[in-house]
Amino acid sequence: DTGVSQDPRHKITKRGQNVTFRCDPISEHNRLYWYRQTLGQGPEFLTYFQNEAQLEKSRLLSDRFSAERPKGSFSTLEIQRTEQGDSAMYLCASSGRSISYEQYFGPGTRLTVT
Amino acid sequence: QQQVKQSPQSLIVQKGGISIINCAYENTAFDYFPWYQQFPGKGPALLIAIRPDVSEKKEGRFTISFNKSAKQFSLHIMDSQPGDSATYFCAARLYNFNKFYFGSGTKLNVKP
Repeated sequence: DTGVSQDPRHKITKRGQNVTFRCDPISEHNRLYWYRQTLGQGPEFLTYFQNEAQLEKSRLLSDRFSAERPKGSFSTLEIQRTEQGDSAMYLCASSGRSISYEQYFGPGTRLTVT
Repeated sequence: QQQVKQSPQSLIVQKGGISIINCAYENTAFDYFPWYQQFPGKGPALLIAIRPDVSEKKEGRFTISFNKSAKQFSLHIMDSQPGDSATYFCAARLYNFNKFYFGSGTKLNVKP
């Protein structure tokens, strides 16, 4: 399967702990996005990379959140000092070099903060 | 303030009927409008998309109608099937920032 993959699929953590999620985009895609989705809502933009450069970051992203994409391949999203309000599905998407900007989403990582 | 407003929140359609989901936006800097289908526990999957220089796009049973002057666009699912039961999201891309805004979703239930 050559789609977007995310790991882990589920994460349960205690409040105050740090968590890190990984996303592997489609191999030829140079753009990578992170979104957060809560129950009954649409995905909410968090951040965007083109190759290894982080070009856009939502104001919603507090300083507890950080994302990296070393060497322009996989990406990691880290949440420090997790809070119960961080419980959500974290989605990764990637898109290629074409002007269509079609995004392909991974299956997501479900985070539960207890 | 929600950049893309989607309605209805939920929709029940009989098998074979037409499902219609509507979205509206205000920002004229949006330049690409995709629709996504999401099943429980899965990530959204791209269904169909349109650019504002086109008024309609059709792919199989799915059609997007786009009204640039009204800043509205809609998804029509013809001959709806129970397998179409899912949540549908419209979205819009902000030109030059490659930032996407999603609607709040429509949960479609197609009854056999």
